[in-house]
Amino acid sequence: AQRVTQPEKLLSVFKGAPVELKCNYSYSGSPELFWYVQYSRQRLQLLLRHISRESIKGFTADLNKGETSFHLKKPFAQEEDSAMYYCALLWGFQKLVFGTGTRLLVSP
Amino acid sequence: SAVISQKPSRDICQRGTSLTIQCQVDSQVTMMFWYRQQPGQSLTLIATANQGSEATYESGFVIDKFPISRPNLTFSTLTVSNMSPEDSSIYLCSVEGQGEGVSYNEQFFGPGTRLTVL
Repeated sequence: AQRVTQPEKLLSVFKGAPVELKCNYSYSGSPELFWYVQYSRQRLQLLLRHISRESIKGFTADLNKGETSFHLKKPFAQEEDSAMYYCALLWGFQKLVFGTGTRLLVSP
Repeated sequence: SAVISQKPSRDICQRGTSLTIQCQVDSQVTMMFWYRQQPGQSLTLIATANQGSEATYESGFVIDKFPISRPNLTFSTLTVSNMSPEDSSIYLCSVEGQGEGVSYNEQFFGPGTRLTVL
């Protein structure tokens, strides 16, 4: 069965430090993976997806099929990056399965 | 993109009652979905709301407990029936994005309905 694992519930870093939010997946098909973000008092929104291979707000994520991972990285964290981050896997017809989320807290 | 609104934004209900949550989209969309997020847990897909036919439910969710309507391409309702405290969750609707500037397979989410069952 398809599954997404985010091992860290909370990640706390100082401003300017590198950030890596871990995501591992289990899926027998060809994976399509996403990172969604939820800022305080805002709705869930798409941050980036592996197909586009682009950097959004300084974040990047590379799909590693060998390690079945899709970790989210940013070299220098900013306070405004503090939010809840969810890794998600697309399966079936437009269905998303989400990880449990990681709360990123960036302190000044 | 799509602008999605949900009503109510939150509610406190008594055990054994039912609550209907509305989801309104500002444009016609093909795919609409309902998710549940229980306290401290991730989002779980409840069902796909199909226009003109019955919703497609995921494993662990049944129509008697979560009846869904989709009368047109901009609106859907989810009812949480015969509620118990275990139904206390945030319920979200989402739509598949369509149109210019929207990434393929991107989903847009509503603000959620926070339900507390006493």
